[in-house]
Amino acid sequence: DADVTQTPRNRITKTGKRIMLECSQTKGHDRMYWYRQDPGLGLRLIYYSFDVKDINKGEISDGYSVSRQAQAKFSLSLESAIPNQTALYFCATSARWAGELFFGEGSRLTVL
Amino acid sequence: GEDVEQSLFLSVREGDSSVINCTYTDSSSTYLYWYKQEPGAGLQLLTYIFSNMDMKQDQRLTVLLNKKDKHLSLRIADTQTGDSAIYFCAESKDGGSQGNLIFGKGTKLSVKP
Repeated sequence: DADVTQTPRNRITKTGKRIMLECSQTKGHDRMYWYRQDPGLGLRLIYYSFDVKDINKGEISDGYSVSRQAQAKFSLSLESAIPNQTALYFCATSARWAGELFFGEGSRLTVL
Repeated sequence: GEDVEQSLFLSVREGDSSVINCTYTDSSSTYLYWYKQEPGAGLQLLTYIFSNMDMKQDQRLTVLLNKKDKHLSLRIADTQTGDSAIYFCAESKDGGSQGNLIFGKGTKLSVKP
């Protein structure tokens, strides 16, 4: 089983719908992250959390919100999805030294 | 400012060496990283180098760091078809304690048999 699990792996939705992407991890790491990957743009950080009570905005947090329900769970929500949020979303975790990130397999979201 | 630049594509023949280059702008970066993304998968850390080092070797991988020019390279010796992937350069300050790695756009390596 994967150490970092993302659900759903693929989702197609319509403009204006609320979407939640979920991430769970079995690595016991305190730190969790949500990244977005777009072709030719690399990875951009949306939100990150250093523990259950700590949530921080990343580079591109507008239009997104997160919830850290437990040490092992970190979910990303799009309250009202728009087409330019079509992308591949990755959850990642790290121990206190954040240089080594452990990524999930990604959630591909298409907003029509 | 913070920016990491890489060329987008590299094509080599199996058995040749591959060299993937990266430039960064933040001279205070303490660690620099190379991540690999295979098709349909998330990124995996390949190797990293601390900013007070010039070179790091790990089996077929050699990382060279030129701090003066803010240039990082990854050399893969005896490149195999299994090395075909996207390679991301990334930088951080304070070992990433601030929680944010800055990634380049990725270099897609294609290995021809």
